[in-house]
Amino acid sequence: GDSVTQMEGPVTLSEEAFLTINCTYTATGYPSLFWYVQYPGEGLQLLLKATKADDKGSNKGFEATYRKETTSFHLEKGSVQVSDSAVYFCALSEGGSQGNLIFGKGTKLSVKP
Amino acid sequence: GAGVSQTPSNKVTEKGKYVELRCDPISGHTALYWYRQSLGQGPEFLIYFQGTGAADDSGLPNDRFFAVRPEGSVSTLKIQRTERGDSAVYLCASSPHNSGRAGELFFGEGSRLTVL
Repeated sequence: GDSVTQMEGPVTLSEEAFLTINCTYTATGYPSLFWYVQYPGEGLQLLLKATKADDKGSNKGFEATYRKETTSFHLEKGSVQVSDSAVYFCALSEGGSQGNLIFGKGTKLSVKP
Repeated sequence: GAGVSQTPSNKVTEKGKYVELRCDPISGHTALYWYRQSLGQGPEFLIYFQGTGAADDSGLPNDRFFAVRPEGSVSTLKIQRTERGDSAVYLCASSPHNSGRAGELFFGEGSRLTVL
């Protein structure tokens, strides 16, 4: 079945460092891809999405590009802030409007001042 | 508030007891989802409602789990004869169900269930 694999954490960075969180997926069709973020004490929230190959999703300085050839959707940010400390989840949704999501296990990011 | 509301935020029960978890979605959202998140894992799909009907309940682990949404708004997840393995955070999400926004879910903070 469809699945998402993301790099294990925790990831600890200093403020202003470059961030990459790897995500690869397995899907039979043409999924949409998502990054969700969970800040401490809050619910999951959508960070960015891409619906087709070569699309780039971006938000709050984060970017991810849908790479069909490598089945990847790596999350990047050029300069992280302490406020980016959170758990990041990569997810996919198979085609159609149902929107059920398959999530990776999550990667905890801690940014130190 | 305007977000997805879940109650209770914490529930401790004994093995074998019955539990109900409530979700109040964002007003006007027709799609409602339940997920379960175990420690160190990502959320796992349980059931999806479109309006009042369960459009997909393929994620419910067994017949001890049941969910309803009688008026197309509030939903209740019901767990019978709870087991220790049911301990997890139960997440509810809603969506406006616009096909162009598929996968854009708005999550509540979850109900943490502990079965002793």
